Amino acid sequence: KNEVEQSPQNLTAQEGEFITINCSYSVGISALHWLQQHPGGGIVSLFMLSSGKKKHGRLIATINIQEKHSSLHITASHPRDSAVYICAAETSGSRLTFGEGTQLTVNP
Amino acid sequence: DAGITQSPRHKVTETGTPVTLRCHQTENHRYMYWYRQDPGHGLRLIHYSYGVKDTDKGEVSDGYSVSRSKTEDFLLTLESATSSQTSVYFCAISASGKNIQYFGAGTRLSVL
Repeated sequence: KNEVEQSPQNLTAQEGEFITINCSYSVGISALHWLQQHPGGGIVSLFMLSSGKKKHGRLIATINIQEKHSSLHITASHPRDSAVYICAAETSGSRLTFGEGTQLTVNP
Repeated sequence: DAGITQSPRHKVTETGTPVTLRCHQTENHRYMYWYRQDPGHGLRLIHYSYGVKDTDKGEVSDGYSVSRSKTEDFLLTLESATSSQTSVYFCAISASGKNIQYFGAGTRLSVL
């Protein structure tokens, strides 16, 4: 069993839909990261959070430390949101352990 | 965009040959990382550096070595490339071990 599990692996939505991607981890963490990998392969960090909730535009990330669970929400989804979304657990020694990613496709 | 340059961007090589990948940053960040990305595994840490000449192994370090003689450069060397090292390699940097990481564009390596 991977230390970081994401669900679903693949997600297809219609433009405008509310999207939720889930991440569960089994290790102790100092922070939880969400990243986006563009179709061209580039990777950008979206959020780093250790408690509560963070919001940036249409993206919202939440974390429940007790339940070892984090969610990434996208409101009013758009085709340009199509990408792979990756969660990563920051453990001791400044290391990140990554989930396998969720492939999101938003159709117009 | 963070100033991170990976070179080369694409490389095809033969089994048994040495390969060096370079990561260059202009941000003066202390931490630098090398990851590989493979289908079904996600990103996995190969080696990382927390300062000049200070490096440590990640979860998939066998067959790889690294060097960091200057703050701005972090080199990843495959001493004798094998087909199992065919992958996409990403470099990342962060100001400290507790900050977000900024990623380079990746290097696609094929070992034939």
